[in-house]
Amino acid sequence: DAEITQSPRHKITETGRQVTLACHQTWNHNNMFWYRQDLGHGLRLIHYSYGVQDTNKGEVSDGYSVSRSNTEDLPLTLESAASSQTSVYFCASSEGGRRSEQYFGPGTRLTVT
Amino acid sequence: AQSVTQPDIHITVSEGASLELRCNYSYGATPYLFWYVQSPGQGLQLLLKYFSGDTLVQGIKGFEAEFKRSQSSFNLRKPSVHWSDAAEYFCAVVDIMDTGRRALTFGSGTRLQVQP
Repeated sequence: DAEITQSPRHKITETGRQVTLACHQTWNHNNMFWYRQDLGHGLRLIHYSYGVQDTNKGEVSDGYSVSRSNTEDLPLTLESAASSQTSVYFCASSEGGRRSEQYFGPGTRLTVT
Repeated sequence: AQSVTQPDIHITVSEGASLELRCNYSYGATPYLFWYVQSPGQGLQLLLKYFSGDTLVQGIKGFEAEFKRSQSSFNLRKPSVHWSDAAEYFCAVVDIMDTGRRALTFGSGTRLQVQP
């Protein structure tokens, strides 16, 4: 069955370190998204991609970057981790088109100490 | 940018009781609306979606939602709640970003607790 996976599931890192969170989908979806989930804020969009070599900033993109070199993967990089980036991160993908729903990964819990 | 409001942060119901979770959106045209559920420690699972047509949509796990344009609402309902329905529920709307691309805007969520 097609799926979307994230790794690691849990990560503890120190302030200032670079961190990369992996997202891999086997749906062959064109669109991929990264969200962060914080209490009281629901899910907020960080970056998204509508295809290979396409990346776009979302609502809360400062301090994050993504790259899309193939259809299956959209890694999220925190250039210099900050305590404010302690959160749960979700990756999602969708087929495309205005009506297509998003499929979510299981999430990565990141703690920045 | 669109917005989605879920006025209830936390709701507690007894098992077997009916449930209604509220969702209000801001959008001028016909919105594309979703309800997702998140069980503890899990990702989000799609419950149902509305694009057009019949304003009462059926979803998985016995859930339904009604789109009311006059009230800008898309409330989620279930006639009889089961203990396994305890989770967090998110309403979302398709939004058009500054880039012209589409993405989802989520409400802040409603946490449902089910009492035995």
